[in-house]
Formats: sequence, C-alpha cells, structure tokens
Amino acid sequence: GEDVEQSLFLSVREGDSSVINCTYTDSSSTYLYWYKQEPGAGLQLLTYIFSNMDMKQDQRLTVLLNKKDKHLSLRIADTQTGDSAIYFCAEKKNFNKFYFGSGTKLNVKP
Amino acid sequence: DAMVIQNPRYQVTQFGKPVTLSCSQTLNHNVMYWYQQKSSQAPKLLFHYYDKDFNNEADTPDNFQSRRPNTSFCFLDIRSPGLGDAAMYLCATSRSGTPYEQYFGPGTRLTVT
Repeated sequence: GEDVEQSLFLSVREGDSSVINCTYTDSSSTYLYWYKQEPGAGLQLLTYIFSNMDMKQDQRLTVLLNKKDKHLSLRIADTQTGDSAIYFCAEKKNFNKFYFGSGTKLNVKP
Repeated sequence: DAMVIQNPRYQVTQFGKPVTLSCSQTLNHNVMYWYQQKSSQAPKLLFHYYDKDFNNEADTPDNFQSRRPNTSFCFLDIRSPGLGDAAMYLCATSRSGTPYEQYFGPGTRLTVT
C-alpha cells in the first residue's frame, strides 16, 4: 500500500534525546523529509535527506536512513519544551507526489 | 516575507452548499498542492498544479475541483460538501527541481453543518 507509518506518540523529558521513527513504502523514493506541525499552524520543513545518504546532521537534528529496511529516523538532541509538536515524515515519489505519515506527537515534559 | 497565505483560516459551510478555499503565494513557485488533513491523520494529497498542468490524484472525489488562474493563486472548490469533507485543508508550494522542498500555508479548517 501507500501508507507511511509512524508511531503516534512519544514523551520525553526536557534535555533528553528524542528519536522519532518512520517506515516508508517505496525504495525508489529519492528524497525523504521531516516536517514539524505546531498547533494551528501549517507544516514546517525541518530537514530532508537524499536517498544516497545514510545520515545527515543539522544542528540538534540527526536523520538516519536505512534504505534496506525503508526506515527513517529523526533524532532531536537536548529536546526542549519548544520542540513539542507533531512530526511528520514524508517521501517523494514520481511526478511531484509526496506521501506523509500520520505524524508522531512529541510531548516534552519539563 | 515570502510566504504561503490561505484564506479564510476557518470556514463554516452548510451541507451541500458550495465553498471555495483560496491560497496565494509570494514565493513564485511553479508547483502548488492541495492536501486534506483529518484529525490525527496524514495530510492526503488531493491534486497539484505543475505550472498550468493540473494533476489529480486517482482517489480524489469528483466533488473537489481546483483552479489556478495565475502563478500566485490557487483555489479549491468543493461543489457539494458532505459531513465527511470537514477537515483541515493545506496548501503548499514548491519549486520544481531538487530537493523539492514544500512550503505550507497555515491551513483552512472547514466545518460542515
């Protein structure tokens, strides 16, 4: 099917690392993305990774890609209360089509 | 600031009464998208425009139509809204070419009474 899968909830304490996981569907997807959605707002692109990469680091964010298992993860180091939001992974397929997971709600406890 | 704007942010319509949602962008991106997002679900692509070319998803109901009169504006028309069409509608834009970053508007929350 075309379902990108994510766990629904994650709760961490402030200062800990958060790891959000995603399983995508199409091994030929060229780009994979992580978006953040805060309440009442649209989706904000956090980072992306090209499929020929295994890892990408951008400040507190680390993206890991396992193409064999079609598994994508987002690690947020030193998680802050401001990181509380819903995180979506997405894959780009052919012809400008993007498919999103149902989102992981990250709750950061002080 | 360059951005994607959606109006209105909240829209209430009656069952069966046509409604139009609008999206505008100042990014001069050539691709524009409409997504439907229901509570706790993934944004679902309804259709997109690549320049003037309209691309419909196979499972998008005929009840949903779109217009793109120019580069900056794109409209979503729901001809006869049903209760199941209540959702958040997200507009996004991107420039064709790598890495295909999408920029999203804040969304329009549609309520059908």
